[in-house]
Amino acid sequence: NAGVTQTPKFRVLKTGQSMTLLCAQDMNHEYMYWYRQDPGMGLRLIHYSVGEGTTAKGEVPDGYNVSRLKKQNFLLGLESAAPSQTSVYFCASTPREGASHYGYTFGSGTRLTVV
Amino acid sequence: AQSVTQPDIHITVSEGASLELRCNYSYGATPYLFWYVQSPGQGLQLLLKYFSGDTLVQGIKGFEAEFKRSQSSFNLRKPSVHWSDAAEYFCAVALYGNKLVFGAGTILRVKS
Repeated sequence: NAGVTQTPKFRVLKTGQSMTLLCAQDMNHEYMYWYRQDPGMGLRLIHYSVGEGTTAKGEVPDGYNVSRLKKQNFLLGLESAAPSQTSVYFCASTPREGASHYGYTFGSGTRLTVV
Repeated sequence: AQSVTQPDIHITVSEGASLELRCNYSYGATPYLFWYVQSPGQGLQLLLKYFSGDTLVQGIKGFEAEFKRSQSSFNLRKPSVHWSDAAEYFCAVALYGNKLVFGAGTILRVKS
């Protein structure tokens, strides 16, 4: 039972490069989320999806794009990386019944450094 | 706006001592509240949750939390801390629209 799997686990980018972070869940969860974690700031929501083919902006969406072409996958893209995007990125999911009752299941994170 | 405040950035306790981590929320309706733990280099693991009923909830690893509506608080407690409890702890509230809002976290250090 894999749960939520994030790839890659670590990555170093140069300023201006692009990359895609992959999140895959095998729990048939309806909702998926991307958060970033920075020291002293907790987790901040970047984008989220309420179902296959849907995406929505969160609290800090600038500089990121997302896609959810398949229910089990949620991709986070950085088109032109900036040092301010150095962070740890977490993917999370929750079933149709909602985060209120179940909370989230988290992936193990992707540590991204932009130099 | 809805928010979660964890007043303590760092807390250090001796092994075997009791622990209380504070969490205050700002939310108009009945809140759905959560505590998560993050060990170094790991993702977040759910410790416990509250959404109705008994205001004292039990979680995994010997943790409990008490919901106090009058104080807008949901403090996490453990009677006797073990060295393996050293981690970062996050309080969260669930909003309409199935999103969680997290506090800034409290880093727990355990000294032997």
